[in-house]
Amino acid sequence: NAGVMQNPRHLVRRRGQEARLRCSPMKGHSHVYWYRQLPEEGLKFMVYLQKENIIDESGMPKERFSAEFPKEGPSILRIQQVVRGDSAAYFCASSPLLDRAAFFGQGTRLTVV
Amino acid sequence: AQTVTQSQPEMSVQEAETVTLSCTYDTSESDYYLFWYKQPPSRQMILVIRQEAYKQQNATENRFSVNFQKAAKSFSLKISDSQLGDAAMYFCAYRSIRGADGLTFGKGTHLIIQP
Repeated sequence: NAGVMQNPRHLVRRRGQEARLRCSPMKGHSHVYWYRQLPEEGLKFMVYLQKENIIDESGMPKERFSAEFPKEGPSILRIQQVVRGDSAAYFCASSPLLDRAAFFGQGTRLTVV
Repeated sequence: AQTVTQSQPEMSVQEAETVTLSCTYDTSESDYYLFWYKQPPSRQMILVIRQEAYKQQNATENRFSVNFQKAAKSFSLKISDSQLGDAAMYFCAYRSIRGADGLTFGKGTHLIIQP
């Protein structure tokens, strides 16, 4: 059973471009969480999704950021018109049930130049 | 809103010795989960140990154990017989029993193992 897979591992975008980060949860996991980690900081919750539903997006910026978890395929975190401040490591986590611990992917390091 | 505080930015321990990492949290909830995650240089977040607040017994996983003091809102991690592979950032995390708002993390403690 493969772990949580995130790709790409590293992503470089110029200011104003779009960034798409992908997350394939562990097999059998229907709960997906996205977190952002700034340098020297802990992870900050962004959004919680189940298949085809956004359950809680209270940690996600209101503009330029969106997330989806379609019926088929990976979860996508999309950042439009990226700015330098979006540079961070973005982690995805999945769990099989709400009360189970989440398993994390290796993260995507986004660098905006 | 819940907060998690790790007051030790960095800790150092000799190989084979024991070290304790501190974590305190603030919540108005009575039921919740607490976690310790390890982040080595590879940046992978690895679950170390998990504690349910309704359980009085402290969780243990091999060389890792916690001291959970619910009244004091304290959740420290003890690593026994420290090994070089234990060197990493350690993050304490809180999660509401509802789960919908994800994990709240502390800022982490950088653990250095001296050979």
